Amino acid sequence: AQSVTQPDIHITVSEGASLELRCNYSYGATPYLFWYVQSPGQGLQLLLKYFSGDTLVQGIKGFEAEFKRSQSSFNLRKPSVHWSDAAEYFCAVGAGDDKIIFGKGTRLHILP
Amino acid sequence: DGGITQSPKYLFRKEGQNVTLSCEQNLNHDAMYWYRQDPGQGLRLIYYSQIVNDFQKGDIAEGYSVSREKKESFPLTVTSAQKNPTAFYLCASSPGVEETQYFGPGTRLLVL
Repeated sequence: AQSVTQPDIHITVSEGASLELRCNYSYGATPYLFWYVQSPGQGLQLLLKYFSGDTLVQGIKGFEAEFKRSQSSFNLRKPSVHWSDAAEYFCAVGAGDDKIIFGKGTRLHILP
Repeated sequence: DGGITQSPKYLFRKEGQNVTLSCEQNLNHDAMYWYRQDPGQGLRLIYYSQIVNDFQKGDIAEGYSVSREKKESFPLTVTSAQKNPTAFYLCASSPGVEETQYFGPGTRLLVL
């Protein structure tokens, strides 16, 4: 069965530092891949998505993600985080059974 | 202004009571979804609908019911059979299955 793993439940980085959030998936073919962000008490907002083509995907708010088929990964990166980036981040996979599977999320904390 | 609306923002349920959460979209999307979110568990799919007058159970459908009589609307009823209904409920829609899902702001359900 398809699955999504976000290995880090919490990550803390200092403001201005670089960020990488990990996402691994399990699926035989090329999946559709998404990253969403959620502020407390709010819905989810799409940051970026990969369907095909260039494996480095640019998103909103300065985020990017790279699809690595050999590692079954789709890690999210940002070169310099801002305090407003503190939120929960969800990786998701669309894998051929009419549904999208979400990871359990990584909560990002920013140190001033 | 296109988007997804959910109401109410907060909902209180008494023991043995059924309650209905509203979800409306004006994006002309065919597919709609209901998720339940609990701390540390990510998003779990309750029901989804690909077209009007059709819907499928997700991973945790027990104790819930839905209808899809109009393209724009996908209400969720939390029945008295759902013994642990306290959670944050998110509605989403997409142009089709496995495409980008757009989320509403959520409804927090609390049991009195």
